Amino acid sequence: AQKVTQAQTEISVVEKEDVTLDCVYETRDTTYYLFWYKQPPSGELVFLIRRNSFDEQNEISGRYSWNFQKSTSSFNFTITASQVVDSAVYFCALLPSGSARQLTFGSGTQLTVLP
Amino acid sequence: DAGVIQSPRHEVTEMGQEVTLRCKPISGHDYLFWYRQTMMRGLELLIYFNNNVPIDDSGMPEDRFSAKMPNASFSTLKIQPSEPRDSAVYFCASRTGTVKNSPLHFGNGTRLTVT
Repeated sequence: AQKVTQAQTEISVVEKEDVTLDCVYETRDTTYYLFWYKQPPSGELVFLIRRNSFDEQNEISGRYSWNFQKSTSSFNFTITASQVVDSAVYFCALLPSGSARQLTFGSGTQLTVLP
Repeated sequence: DAGVIQSPRHEVTEMGQEVTLRCKPISGHDYLFWYRQTMMRGLELLIYFNNNVPIDDSGMPEDRFSAKMPNASFSTLKIQPSEPRDSAVYFCASRTGTVKNSPLHFGNGTRLTVT
């Protein structure tokens, strides 16, 4: 069975602060994919990044960066110099390669960036 | 390109009524998923299709729920009869099977309220 844990239910930061959203996963599969999605107040779910289990390189995209550590089964997401528009619920998700292709979502972290 | 299109955006109905939610996936995507999002249970996969064929409906809560995909560009999720506990946001998502483990692209969701 797969499990994704996002222990931080809610985080509040002041604009321009850096913030890290934690994601810890469990799977017995040796090959799997990890995803982050953003759900802004408007409600849609927006894909941010996909990472496969073979690639432990960290990735940076503008103010966003992701730290994948297989040894600790974590895939954390950092927003640098946060902005009010970053306020949203962020979901981490796991897709084992050998499964029937079902994404397992974490419970989400509500991020509020205050002006 | 148009994304996943869901209708209606909002649906309010009385207990016992039939509700039909509609989805048009992204053209060329051969996987289609129906998810339900509630505060209590988060994002749950209800059912998914591959090439219009239902592959896994184990997430469908009970026989009151049914889903169809008559062609590659249209799917419906029907609840008959509806109950207040069905109130949730229902998301449709699609992805291509051409790229291994490609990300899901979600629609804007249908917010269902059953009174």
